[in-house]
Amino acid sequence: ETGVTQSPTHLIKTRGQQVTLRCSSQSGHNTVSWYQQALGQGPQFIFQYYREEENGRGNFPPRFSGLQFPNYSSELNVNALELDDSALYLCASSFKEDSYEQYFGPGTRLTVT
Amino acid sequence: DAKTTQPTSMDCAEGRAANLPCNHSTISGNEYVYWYRQIHSQGPQYIIHGLKNNETNEMASLIITEDRKSSTLILPHATLRDTAVYYCIVSRDSSYKLIFGSGTRLLVRP
Repeated sequence: ETGVTQSPTHLIKTRGQQVTLRCSSQSGHNTVSWYQQALGQGPQFIFQYYREEENGRGNFPPRFSGLQFPNYSSELNVNALELDDSALYLCASSFKEDSYEQYFGPGTRLTVT
Repeated sequence: DAKTTQPTSMDCAEGRAANLPCNHSTISGNEYVYWYRQIHSQGPQYIIHGLKNNETNEMASLIITEDRKSSTLILPHATLRDTAVYYCIVSRDSSYKLIFGSGTRLLVRP
């Protein structure tokens, strides 16, 4: 148990719809990163938020967006869902100023039909 | 960040040491080597990291070659619960993005 929780656990959406995934960071952590993991592959970095500001982005289109709230919980929003967006979405939290470890949540399994 | 190369899969017998290699020949002087593992249907879990010295913690040992171009993660007494995908990652800043490759799928046999 890492203290990082994600909701929902599983989700099924239709192509073209929008989805919001949620992450609750470990207490005291000010940084959250989101990753997409397609079946059989390693996680791919989507973006990171540090103190409520975006702090870097991977090679994902603008329809992937996020928010980090004052309590350091976070959301990942994906608009205009495509079939290829089907994946496990992971969030990871850390304390940026003094941490060598990112703590991952269990993930949300998104299926787009 | 430097690229890493790992074998696709390995297996070992329960109770024996599991030695997982990783090549990172383009590693820079200020880049660390990190190991994470991902047990089926869970998020990745940090195992250990190092810069140039060998490191040991309660989970594993990390051996980094003198030229830092490769490393080996050692699980001294593998158990069935160690069956997982193991990722070797090279990064200057562990708090920023982690670049995962495909990892090594370790199967621990009874």
